[in-house]
Amino acid sequence: DTGVSQDPRHKITKRGQNVTFRCDPISEHNRLYWYRQTLGQGPEFLTYFQNEAQLEKSRLLSDRFSAERPKGSFSTLEIQRTEQGDSAMYLCASSLTSGRSVEQFFGPGTRLTVL
Amino acid sequence: GDSVTQMEGPVTLSEEAFLTINCTYTATGYPSLFWYVQYPGEGLQLLLKATKADDKGSNKGFEATYRKETTSFHLEKGSVQVSDSAVYFCALMMDSNYQLIWGAGTKLIIKP
Repeated sequence: DTGVSQDPRHKITKRGQNVTFRCDPISEHNRLYWYRQTLGQGPEFLTYFQNEAQLEKSRLLSDRFSAERPKGSFSTLEIQRTEQGDSAMYLCASSLTSGRSVEQFFGPGTRLTVL
Repeated sequence: GDSVTQMEGPVTLSEEAFLTINCTYTATGYPSLFWYVQYPGEGLQLLLKATKADDKGSNKGFEATYRKETTSFHLEKGSVQVSDSAVYFCALMMDSNYQLIWGAGTKLIIKP
């Protein structure tokens, strides 16, 4: 296993279009996280899954954002009716549920540019 | 709410200099603390962590000690190398929700 992968790495879209990103976690990891990172800032938590259940969503995740993790494997993050303010790096991470302070392993991210 | 504050960058040092990057936190409970590093063109990687007061995390010559009394987790290295040039992020995690809360990152530039 080569780690967390994300697809696509870059996405340029026009305002108002829908986009979907995919994340494939490390195979045995049951937790999957989505973060958003804008230039010069640290990542901001969006949502996370334990297996297929979405356990928490940030208030940053507006109604235009939806995330799924069917069958508890890969996850998708969809943004509908994109806005210029959605331009950011979208990061996916995964971890095992085991004890305190579990390490989250990050993918390379998907950079979204909304024109 | 919970938050992390770290020193602004960029921090520019000469090779073999001593490094300190300050990190302080605000949390309602007792978080675990992390330093992540992002090398140019790469994803975030865990550098070190500490789960309770007075714990010291260490890796690759970097160290940080969890100081509950000063709510700090400063990153130090005795002798930096050009290859340490990267962006360093301090973060905390509460047991209650497993989400990481991040500082803004500190860019480190090491000159030969």
